[in-house]
Amino acid sequence: KQEVTQIPAALSVPEGENLVLNCSFTDSAIYNLQWFRQDPGKGLTSLLLIQSSQREQTSGRLNASLDKSSGRSTLYIAASQPGDSATYLCAYTDKLIFGTGTRLQVFP
Amino acid sequence: ETGVTQTPRHLVMGMTNKKSLKCEQHLGHNAMYWYKQSAKKPLELMFVYNFKEQTENNSVPSRFSPECPNSSHLFLHLHTLQPEDSALYLCASSHQHRQGDTEAFFGQGTRLTVV
Repeated sequence: KQEVTQIPAALSVPEGENLVLNCSFTDSAIYNLQWFRQDPGKGLTSLLLIQSSQREQTSGRLNASLDKSSGRSTLYIAASQPGDSATYLCAYTDKLIFGTGTRLQVFP
Repeated sequence: ETGVTQTPRHLVMGMTNKKSLKCEQHLGHNAMYWYKQSAKKPLELMFVYNFKEQTENNSVPSRFSPECPNSSHLFLHLHTLQPEDSALYLCASSHQHRQGDTEAFFGQGTRLTVV
């Protein structure tokens, strides 16, 4: 069974810290990996998509890397802000299999 | 606005009712998905459609019946639901091709409460 695990499950940090969220998957034959954020009671917002031929993607303060050989992806958030508070989810294609999520709280 | 629209946003239904959830995308995607998100549980993939053909049914009870009349619309028909079916139901779409999916986009979800 394909599984995706995210560590840590929850994280609470003061504003300004640099953060690393981890995603590990059991299927090394994945195609692409995508990171999302979800605000409470809302849908998912796409953050970054890393295609299988790529090793990383960057958008603003976010950087995501993909290491298929070790079955890992990391999401790096620089200079965290209270507005970054949300649940962060990773998913790999095909079929968009999701991880359990990391609930992030950034306090002022 | 992600380009994926779900209606209604909220739904309360009795266990004997029949209702339908609707999802619509005009992104030119060929794949559409239904997910269930219960409190404190990971997202559960329910159904996947590719070019109107169902490619995935993740052991979903028959009281949930999907319908995909075309590549832009996806429905989830509900009947004789149970209280434990109360959850946020999310629709997503992407473009599937041999090298993997393009970026997937989600709707805002339908918050379903079964009473």
